[in-house]
Formats: sequence, C-alpha cells, structure tokens
Amino acid sequence: GAVVSQHPSWVICKSGTSVKIECRSLDFQATTMFWYRQFPKQSLMLMATSNEGSKATYEQGVEKDKFLINHASLTLSTLTVTSAHPEDSSFYICSARAWDRGTETQYFGPGTRLLVL
Amino acid sequence: DAKTTQPNSMESNEEEPVHLPCNHSTISGTDYIHWYRQLPSQGPEYVIHGLTSNVNNRMASLAIAEDRKSSTLILHRATLRDAAVYYCILLTLMDSNYQLIWGAGTKLIIKP
Repeated sequence: GAVVSQHPSWVICKSGTSVKIECRSLDFQATTMFWYRQFPKQSLMLMATSNEGSKATYEQGVEKDKFLINHASLTLSTLTVTSAHPEDSSFYICSARAWDRGTETQYFGPGTRLLVL
Repeated sequence: DAKTTQPNSMESNEEEPVHLPCNHSTISGTDYIHWYRQLPSQGPEYVIHGLTSNVNNRMASLAIAEDRKSSTLILHRATLRDAAVYYCILLTLMDSNYQLIWGAGTKLIIKP
C-alpha cells in the first residue's frame, strides 16, 4: 500500500514559537493532502484540504493565518503552526488522497504529537 | 456531523472472529463505505472499502446490507495486534470534494 511519512514524529516547543510539520507521500504523487487534528480520546477533525499549487481550503473555525499550509510539490505538504500556544497541543495527522477501485481513499501519516509549553 | 453510528467498544477473544457493526441509514447512492483503524498514538490505517457488493482483502471482509443502510467489518481471526479503534466512515461528496467524515469509532479490545 501507499506510504505517507510525517516529520517530526513529536515536538515540544515554547509558547509563541512556530512549528513546521512535513507530510510526504513516499511512493506516489498526491495532488491533494489533508490535515487533521486529534485531541485525546476523540476522533479526527479535518482542519484543511491542501491542493498542490493552489491555496488550501480550511474548515470552518480553523484560522488560516495560524495554521499555514504549503503544498509546493506533488509529494510534500507542510503545516506550520504559527505562534503556538498550549491549546494548540494536539496530535496532527496528514493524509494523501489516492485512487483505488474507482473511488478515492486516503493514506495516513503516522502523526506528529505537538506539546506547547 | 458523522453519518455513521457504531458501538463505543467491543470485546473479543484472541483467535476468534470479530464482527464490527455500523449503521449508516442516511447513506446516499454515491457514498462509499470505508473502514479505517487506528492503533494507539498512530495515524489511521486503511482497512477496506466498498459500495454495494461484499469485499474481501487480506486484512478483513466487508459485508454490506442489501439496502446499504448498515455494514459489518469482519476480522476472521483476531489477534492482539488487531486491538485498535475501528472507524466506519462514509466517503461523501461535499462542496465538489470527497471527504471522510469521522465518527467516534469502536474501540476493539482483544482478550488473550
């Protein structure tokens, strides 16, 4: 199956700093990637849809100036949490769209755990 | 809002089959039924998907009701490594894009 990687796997930072998370599709090209956030014992919440070469589409309630998304190539999307605060501490997961038997599916990265002190 | 309902948790014995139910009574004709699972502190893993017919792959089987308002994920012989949260999700066309709308999932506990 398709492989998606994320880097870093975990990060601890001070309040007010910015953190960049990378999402890569390793063995296929992904014109569309998705960024999710997951709080403890909760389900995944879609933050934004990232399309290669164009602006990301953000879900309602997600601040686009705080969560900057760049999808400059067919295999890489980045999420930058700007001026991170403790409430931004969460598990961030990306996925890449692929096609299988006539429908799309998503392959997920291993996630990045962010802790803001 | 999630369009699927699943039991919060289920228990099963190791080496036995597991049937994980899912209700999706508001499914539309173009929605695909997807199943993912998530092990602790990991990203979700694709398991299987289907539209109308039952599906089999190396991980599991998917049985879809004739009216498509429910489906069942079948793990034929559960192992301890199958302990995870299993999500039943509809792939839905929203605003010209297909999206996976995640519900709460079923936490599967495997007893040795």
